[in-house]
Amino acid sequence: GAVVSQHPSRVICKSGTSVKIECRSLDFQATTMFWYRQFPKQSLMLMATSNEGSKATYEQGVEKDKFLINHASLTLSTLTVTSAHPEDSSFYICSALSFSGSKETQYFGPGTRLLVL
Amino acid sequence: GQQLNQSPQSMFIQEGEDVSMNCTSSSIFNTWLWYKQDPGEGPVLLIALYKAGELTSNGRLTAQFGITRKDSFLNISASIPSDVGIYFCAGRSNTGNQFYFGTGTSLTVIP
Repeated sequence: GAVVSQHPSRVICKSGTSVKIECRSLDFQATTMFWYRQFPKQSLMLMATSNEGSKATYEQGVEKDKFLINHASLTLSTLTVTSAHPEDSSFYICSALSFSGSKETQYFGPGTRLLVL
Repeated sequence: GQQLNQSPQSMFIQEGEDVSMNCTSSSIFNTWLWYKQDPGEGPVLLIALYKAGELTSNGRLTAQFGITRKDSFLNISASIPSDVGIYFCAGRSNTGNQFYFGTGTSLTVIP
């Protein structure tokens, strides 16, 4: 199957700093990527849809100025958590849409564990 | 956003037993995906379904796309300890790119 990488895998930062997380599709091009947040023992919560060459679409309740998304190429989307605070600590996972003819499949990255002190 | 109804929420089974879990939606979907997630990892795709009635296997795993297009099930036969994890279903309608996720089924296999 297709491979999606995420970097860093875990990051610890001080409150007030910004953190950038990269999501790359390694063996396919992805015009659409998604960013999710996951709390312990819960399902994935969609934060935003990242579209190559255009602005991201944010889900209700997700602050676009807080979670900056840039999808500058067909293989890279970045999520920047600006002025991070302890409540931003979470597991962030990206995914990328892969097309094979009319069939769409979503492949996930390995996730990034963010801890804000 | 929409969330799919996935059941059961958790299962504790003996090694060797078969497992069945399902997802239902109020909307019609044209794609169903099943994932397994280990602690601290991203979900890994197990099976993808694209056609109503489709039955697809991947080793000991079998999944079916319901005829009504509003449900899907995943079966695991002869479970082994490494099957432990959380299983998620995901579905997508023919409008938009977004996949909607089930609430997850936590599977524990007792050796």
